[in-house]
Amino acid sequence: AQKITQTQPGMFVQEKEAVTLDCTYDTSDPSYGLFWYKQPSSGEMIFLIYQGSYDQQNATEGRYSLNFQKARKSANLVISASQLGDSAMYFCAMREGDNFNKFYFGSGTKLNVKP
Amino acid sequence: DGGITQSPKYLFRKEGQNVTLSCEQNLNHDAMYWYRQDPGQGLRLIYYSQIVNDFQKGDIAEGYSVSREKKESFPLTVTSAQKNPTAFYLCASRRGTGISNQPQHFGDGTRLSIL
Repeated sequence: AQKITQTQPGMFVQEKEAVTLDCTYDTSDPSYGLFWYKQPSSGEMIFLIYQGSYDQQNATEGRYSLNFQKARKSANLVISASQLGDSAMYFCAMREGDNFNKFYFGSGTKLNVKP
Repeated sequence: DGGITQSPKYLFRKEGQNVTLSCEQNLNHDAMYWYRQDPGQGLRLIYYSQIVNDFQKGDIAEGYSVSREKKESFPLTVTSAQKNPTAFYLCASRRGTGISNQPQHFGDGTRLSIL
């Protein structure tokens, strides 16, 4: 089974609107961490936001927030007030259990922000 | 500025040839990683290293080799045994092997193609 599933290959959003990128995960370990990365067309991976499995509150970082629903095993990324520079691939990743070196990545969502 | 430097940006391999991708970091990070990214897909782990002179295979290590003689450097060799090496290769590092919320920091990648 896939550890990380991103079901939206591509998304469009109007500039200045909010957009939600979906991510579901699969683990039986109570300890895990979820990361979101942005990959512009240039290729580098940029860390956006982190949510730990024991965190009581949803993570927020500027215009990025995480809609963490533990029972549903989902960790959706919300980008508020979209900007043209947000156009990129977005990847959800999970660190599972105590193996702090094993990260699982989803297949990504291509976000296009329209002016 | 601290960061991860990958070189070269583009690399071409002839049949039967070994090629080495360079990855250097000046972040004083303990752990380093190599990932492969194919078009439209997420990242797959090739090798990782938690400390100098030690490294472990990831999910797709066949046809690849690494070394970790210095903390700052983690070169990846794509051997002739790797029959489908055309891909985008990303190197990453991470500060602590036992710190749960630390993200991976990535280089700009190397694009490898077969001649």
